[in-house]
Amino acid sequence: GAGVSQSPSNKVTEKGKDVELRCDPISGHTALYWYRQRLGQGLEFLIYFQGNSAPDKSGLPSDRFSAERTGESVSTLTIQRTQQEDSAVYLCASSPPDRITGELFFGEGSRLTVL
Amino acid sequence: AQKVTQAQTEISVVEKEDVTLDCVYETRDTTYYLFWYKQPPSGELVFLIRRNSFDEQNEISGRYSWNFQKSTSSFNFTITASQVVDSAVYFCALSEINNDMRFGAGTRLTVKP
Repeated sequence: GAGVSQSPSNKVTEKGKDVELRCDPISGHTALYWYRQRLGQGLEFLIYFQGNSAPDKSGLPSDRFSAERTGESVSTLTIQRTQQEDSAVYLCASSPPDRITGELFFGEGSRLTVL
Repeated sequence: AQKVTQAQTEISVVEKEDVTLDCVYETRDTTYYLFWYKQPPSGELVFLIRRNSFDEQNEISGRYSWNFQKSTSSFNFTITASQVVDSAVYFCALSEINNDMRFGAGTRLTVKP
């Protein structure tokens, strides 16, 4: 498809398990973002990839969270030893090389529920 | 790092009323970009507008208008003659050059018929 694709759309897991969330950005988009949105809350910045630069990991809440990106394509957000407070929608967004436009294109999110 | 504050958590209005959503930002950069996004009940974030720091001209698009004032570091959003379909969470965001985009906490707008 033409948009940002995220999978799974829904994930239910047990406390203590590891989960991986995947994001396929729009082809040609060099920037990729992960955000977390808890129920009824705002968007919490997690991590930002821009081309081949070192990622900005300043938003990752703990060392249980990590993310990787292969070149300028797929990104995976990994949460180890999940906790109930990790339950949220995880949103991925990408933007084109011309950051002057600045618009982010969002995926539909991956809803994570930790029991 | 940049910061965006949306002090209004929730606003409720009756259809056809005008409503203004406030956004205040902090940044050390002289070049930056401000945005508004809409998140309807369906959940998907929709881009509404982008302004750069060198363009303080206010913008109007149909019932939507934006007031950018660098002197007060504000980028407020007004909906004129609100409609039920305007009900959503609205996010203000700030992006510095070569930096990530940070969002405010959002304002939930409810427009009642």
